[in-house]
Amino acid sequence: GQQVMQIPQYQHVQEGEDFTTYCNSSTTLSNIQWYKQRPGGHPVFLIQLVKSGEVKKQKRLTFQFGEAKKNSSLHITATQTTDVGTYFCAELSGGSNYKLTFGKGTLLTVNP
Amino acid sequence: DSGVTQTPKHLITATGQRVTLRCSPRSGDLSVYWYQQSLDQGLQFLIQYYNGEERAKGNILERFSAQQFPDLHSELNLSSLELGDSALYFCASSAGTGSSLYFGPGTRLTVT
Repeated sequence: GQQVMQIPQYQHVQEGEDFTTYCNSSTTLSNIQWYKQRPGGHPVFLIQLVKSGEVKKQKRLTFQFGEAKKNSSLHITATQTTDVGTYFCAELSGGSNYKLTFGKGTLLTVNP
Repeated sequence: DSGVTQTPKHLITATGQRVTLRCSPRSGDLSVYWYQQSLDQGLQFLIQYYNGEERAKGNILERFSAQQFPDLHSELNLSSLELGDSALYFCASSAGTGSSLYFGPGTRLTVT
């Protein structure tokens, strides 16, 4: 079935460096959601993007939805050790079957 | 604390057995989702219920079944268990279709 592709699969950075994860789809997305899962924890909702070209910020996190609504990105400025975890994008399939399909995630590790 | 509860937290059972996982959604949420998370497959959508009715189905095996009860709690039944069914099973709830998901802490199932 349709699934958004996330890259990279893993990213290791030094504390203070920036980090970006990308989510790509071959088809137009109705919306995209981002979640963070800390090691040993459960996914936690971060944000939802709906409009073409939308940009939303949460402190050091910047979320973008592409103009064609086929890709999205999450950028973290000046990473901290608290940013460690797996970041997932998820797409909502519309039509008569609403289901939220998750990408495989990007695991971020931060070296203090 | 997301407000979603899942029991049990851990479950160890043998191949061929049957288990039931239970989920209580956040107060007021009508939608319940079930996801399976394993290392190599990421978060796999299994099934969604809305106010007692099945709304969407994902990669759910025939050996697995679920239901949502009038009080909105949900149960996921896994039968004829195989080693490959060992995974973390998450329940999530939302206010409605297209809304953000709130995940429970998960049930870790180990099949030996």
